Amino acid sequence: QSALTQPRSVSGSPGQSVTISCTGTSNDVGGYNYVSWYQQHPGKAPKLIIYDVTERPSGVPDRFSGSKSGNTASLTISGLQAEDEADFYCCSYAGTYTYVFGTGTKVTVL
Amino acid sequence: QVQLQESGPGLVKPSETLSLTCTVSGASIGSGIYHWGWIRQPPGKGLEWIGSVHYSGATYYNPSLKNRVTIFMEMSENQFSLKLNSVTAADAAVYYCARLRTFDLWGQGTLVTVSS
Repeated sequence: QSALTQPRSVSGSPGQSVTISCTGTSNDVGGYNYVSWYQQHPGKAPKLIIYDVTERPSGVPDRFSGSKSGNTASLTISGLQAEDEADFYCCSYAGTYTYVFGTGTKVTVL
Repeated sequence: QVQLQESGPGLVKPSETLSLTCTVSGASIGSGIYHWGWIRQPPGKGLEWIGSVHYSGATYYNPSLKNRVTIFMEMSENQFSLKLNSVTAADAAVYYCARLRTFDLWGQGTLVTVSS
């Protein structure tokens, strides 16, 4: 069970869009529509922002959207805002009630 | 409003057992709908799923930790606990408890240091 692969960092100016990829295998990302995304500010617990590939929990801005193609899931942040600067992690179900997280991506707002 | 809170020693000696408890308020862990789990994050590093438990008693563990970890529920206290044996410096981390399967609710996390 290897960690899902994410870019170490992405950046964008306010108002721009950024996309974070999350690459796994057919045993996790590609095998189930159970990919979720979390935002983590320094010193804080992660916060769920996307679940089941595309679903947003109540209260999460629609600037955050998710998608999946094959073994790669993606999180897009549209209209980047200063408060979006944080670490982001993907997570996938990997069968038999097991889970695997991604390596994490630092989003910087320029 | 459902809340989770981790508790336990912040310092564990090498080779000893790390023990943490997660207290859930605002909902019963025995409702059967959810699994309850543990995740850890070494300083400056990413998240790692440790394992989870269901009120039925079923447990599921990260294969990399399976030989050293035990997760169990204490229904009367509405708590679930983590035990990790034979700890080393590599087990030093912030440990979080969370509600599965979407990890929609998290505790604030508790830092565990491994040192003699």
